[in-house]
Amino acid sequence: SQQGEEDPQALSIQEGENATMNCSYKTSINNLQWYRQNSGRGLVHLILIRSNEREKHSGRLRVTLDTSKKSSSLLITASRAADTASYFCATEKKTSGSRLTFGEGTQLTVNP
Amino acid sequence: EPEVTQTPSHQVTQMGQEVILRCVPISNHLYFYWYRQILGQKVEFLVSFYNNEISEKSEIFDDQFSVERPDGSNFTLKIRSTKLEDSAMYFCASRPDRVSEKLFFGSGTQLSVL
Repeated sequence: SQQGEEDPQALSIQEGENATMNCSYKTSINNLQWYRQNSGRGLVHLILIRSNEREKHSGRLRVTLDTSKKSSSLLITASRAADTASYFCATEKKTSGSRLTFGEGTQLTVNP
Repeated sequence: EPEVTQTPSHQVTQMGQEVILRCVPISNHLYFYWYRQILGQKVEFLVSFYNNEISEKSEIFDDQFSVERPDGSNFTLKIRSTKLEDSAMYFCASRPDRVSEKLFFGSGTQLSVL
């Protein structure tokens, strides 16, 4: 698998449900970040988790990191139609300086 | 809230032509980046820039590409002789310092090479 692979590729849920997206990576990292992209727009930073952290919360977002499995998950609770977007994980590798490596993304659709 | 601005939002050019994509990073930021996203694919790193020089570049960033910070506020990406496969959304990003890991992205320039 490639660095920063998300699954599922697409997720469709009803408003009010929780959405969980997963990301796997291959190399040692400094941190893992999640970004959101609305169709045809730029990337917006959502949340960052460092390699020595296991879980972080921000509003309706919860991110976990398991460095032994090289995986992360992003949970969006009580989803809204406005959460409809593509979600990308991005890793900053320990040897890469400051560049980010992005995953393929998960297209989330929240139906009203 | 301060934001990264990119111009133009859309650029159409003929194969072989030179294009310059422009970005104005957030004013107190010191690190600047270009990424690109070919339609339906992942976002790819092109180059990072700090202290008026390239600090890192990817294998995509070949001799056809160059970056410049000509006047202390603008940050440009030049493609000397565009190819069809250069068609993509190009994103500029910045961050204030090495410690702050979060990147601030512009809304992108959609480049179409015909």
